[in-house]
Amino acid sequence: DAKTTQPTSMDCAEGRAANLPCNHSTISGNEYVYWYRQIHSQGPQYIIHGLKNNETNEMASLIITEDRKSSTLILPHATLRDTAVYYCIVERGSNYKLTFGKGTLLTVNP
Amino acid sequence: GAVVSQHPSWVICKSGTSVKIECRSLDFQATTMFWYRQFPKQSLMLMATSNEGSKATYEQGVEKDKFLINHASLTLSTLTVTSAHPEDSSFYICSAPGGSGTSGTKNIQYFGAGTRLSVL
Repeated sequence: DAKTTQPTSMDCAEGRAANLPCNHSTISGNEYVYWYRQIHSQGPQYIIHGLKNNETNEMASLIITEDRKSSTLILPHATLRDTAVYYCIVERGSNYKLTFGKGTLLTVNP
Repeated sequence: GAVVSQHPSWVICKSGTSVKIECRSLDFQATTMFWYRQFPKQSLMLMATSNEGSKATYEQGVEKDKFLINHASLTLSTLTVTSAHPEDSSFYICSAPGGSGTSGTKNIQYFGAGTRLSVL
């Protein structure tokens, strides 16, 4: 079973920031938070991951709460091409296997 | 990032025939690869872990004799759907861990584009 809870769907206006929440209240100390997205009919794409600290890369920012029980993925300037299902996954770094939940369908509107 | 190539992207076959899907890591070696299946409007379900040089590990409920996995080299894993039936029609996706460095980075998975299988 997935260890995370995400809203089923969200909408965002093009050019605005998209903030996608994820709850992972049972996360263990050695587990990372990974975010992937899947554009329709394609394979998933890695976005970002983190352990404790906030992270930023060219695609997004990841904000992890101090107690690590939740996190938020931020797409700073959403475009229509960011419309996808976003998956928040909690997993140990050495385990490799990923368990996908239902994710959040983000729809970016013009 | 690392690239995983999956072939074919779409296949249509008759019921009772076998179909082979290839998954290649193009610019890195992968001792482990993963095979997922995704039905319409559902999430990815892990089918099996493909291990280079040894037997694959199947998830509960996945028939190992029906879904044959061969990981013959460090860059190639194949999934063969044997005696395919219409209920096997699905989107099959492979992935491989292609990161390096810290433990968390090592587990970054790179996914193929997927293979849509339609069994008539």
